[in-house]
Parts: sequence; structure tokens; C-alpha cells
Amino acid sequence: SAVISQKPSRDICQRGTSLTIQCQVDSQVTMMFWYRQQPGQSLTLIATANQGSEATYESGFVIDKFPISRPNLTFSTLTVSNMSPEDSSIYLCSVGVADYNEQFFGPGTRLTVL
Amino acid sequence: GQNIDQPTEMTATEGAIVQINCTYQTSGFNGLFWYQQHAGEAPTFLSYNVLDGLEEKGRFSSFLSRSKGYSYLLLKELQMKDSASYLCAVSDSNYQLIWGAGTKLIIKP
Repeated sequence: SAVISQKPSRDICQRGTSLTIQCQVDSQVTMMFWYRQQPGQSLTLIATANQGSEATYESGFVIDKFPISRPNLTFSTLTVSNMSPEDSSIYLCSVGVADYNEQFFGPGTRLTVL
Repeated sequence: GQNIDQPTEMTATEGAIVQINCTYQTSGFNGLFWYQQHAGEAPTFLSYNVLDGLEEKGRFSSFLSRSKGYSYLLLKELQMKDSASYLCAVSDSNYQLIWGAGTKLIIKP
């Protein structure tokens, strides 16, 4: 298993500003994922972040809007840039664990954009 | 395209049994996961099936039929704390998880 922490746990931001979310894992992992979950909805994958390579973004998500860093095997950041109220959501990081690629999730960051 | 279907909401009575179904169509298959998510919390892993059949883990069991593209999660002896959303997810040919929309389970006394 893996223990994952996220900062901040929640934030209220103004339109047009940016927020960087941090994800810290207690062990070295190759695969890290960033998800968005809007109220009452399921998980939507934003991007996959593997150490040593650029993040791979899913359809509908671009690097300019959601830049991601992955400086080492235990840490990643997701920035939500030039925010609008539509970006209000819960952002979750998760890590893939070997054996059968089970994913463990961080506690999430609840973002509200005014 | 890839698709995961599960009911939006189900209601059951404390102490009873409930079965949550999931059907899927994906490009490749490397296993099916069930996650539990309480309101305002992150999803937590419940079960994993990659071979046909039933996997039992305490009050929870998960079944898979790959030929039918079908799985179910069976919850026995329901408790009020089982009120949550249950997410079905399939690992596709690229080992990427494709998520269902989740089933909100409401437990009544």
C-alpha cells in the first residue's frame, strides 16, 4: 500500500489566479495520476505523471491549463492556471502500485473558484 | 469507445443484501476494480477481479464474467456505514483505469 498526502486540503480562489496542489507519497512510485471529480460525478483523469518524462494529458486537458511537475519518485504537483468557476472541483492524486496496478488515492483538494 | 455502466442510485435496508452491477466495454482488459467512496472522502480500494468467478472478502464479494463484460459487487449484512458511492473501474489494454460514474447506495434503518 501507499500513504499519500495532498496540500492544500481545500482552498477558495479568485477567478484568473492559479493554484498549485502538492502530492507527497511515502514510498517511491513510478506512476502517479491526477484526477478531477466534480460534485456528484465520477473521476475524470487529467493526466498521468511518470518521473523522468513529460506528463501525458487526456483529451480535453492541456499542459498550459494544468501544468504538472514530477521531480522525483515521491512527489508531484498539479497547477490549475487562470482559474474560472468551472474549475471548482475536487482534485485527487493517486499512485499505481505494482502487482495489479491498484491505485491508492490521496485525500483530495477541494477547490472553489469565485 | 470505452464505456462503463452502473446504476446511479440504489436503496437497501440495514441488515439486508444488495448487489451492484457493472457492465463494461473497453479496449482490452487487465482487471476490474471496485472502490468505495464516502461523501467528501477519497475512494478506497475494495476488490480486484481479473479471472472469472467470485472473490469473497468478509461481507463484500465481487464477481466477474469476462465473456459477458459484467461484474457485480455484493454487500451482505448491510450496515449504515455502508452508505457510500461504489465505483467500478476497468483497467484497459494500456493499464489505464476507465471509471464508471458510480452507484450511490443509500441504507435505510
